[in-house]
Amino acid sequence: DTEVTQTPKHLVMGMTNKKSLKCEQHMGHRAMYWYKQKAKKPPELMFVYSYEKLSINESVPSRFSPECPNSSLLNLHLHALQPEDSALYLCASSQDRTDLPSGANVLTFGAGSRLTVL
Amino acid sequence: AQKITQTQPGMFVQEKEAVTLDCTYDTSDPSYGLFWYKQPSSGEMIFLIYQGSYDQQNATEGRYSLNFQKARKSANLVISASQLGDSAMYFCAMREFYSGGYNKLIFGAGTRLAVHP
Repeated sequence: DTEVTQTPKHLVMGMTNKKSLKCEQHMGHRAMYWYKQKAKKPPELMFVYSYEKLSINESVPSRFSPECPNSSLLNLHLHALQPEDSALYLCASSQDRTDLPSGANVLTFGAGSRLTVL
Repeated sequence: AQKITQTQPGMFVQEKEAVTLDCTYDTSDPSYGLFWYKQPSSGEMIFLIYQGSYDQQNATEGRYSLNFQKARKSANLVISASQLGDSAMYFCAMREFYSGGYNKLIFGAGTRLAVHP
């Protein structure tokens, strides 16, 4: 079983709906990430949280709103999405250690939430 | 700008044989890290192996080894004794320069590996 848990596994929503994706980890990691992956494409970074503060926003449209309520939880709030936002949304976490080589901060991914926007 | 290239969209290999998946990269940063991930059809990205730019030896993890040729800017993944469960998409990724402890990864396009019995 993955150590990063994402819910729900599948989500179907209309363009006027408001929904949320949730991610939880209990590995003591202090960096958490959201990636978007379209079919047959590599993952693309959306957001990075470091110590519960937003560190990177890759120019993501405001209809995606991330939230990190504590060091174990990461949410992605969805509102007024478009059909082209349909994708696999992957959450990941890692240590956030500057005293170690980057290989020590390996990203551990969840199984993803597959989103379909009608 | 940093770039990762995987030129093999698909590969197939016979069970128990070895296979090499290619990855080349481009960066002007002398300090970088290279990662390989496996993505089965279930969707989860599974970390396989890591190579740092200053590491003197090629990384190995069980049946996985990384053929790191720094001068040629290549970091090929070698899977020995392929198993049916190795059938998946494989992504090469590089850490972009960062000032924090987190890893901002950029991924290559991926190679789909099929293992035949």
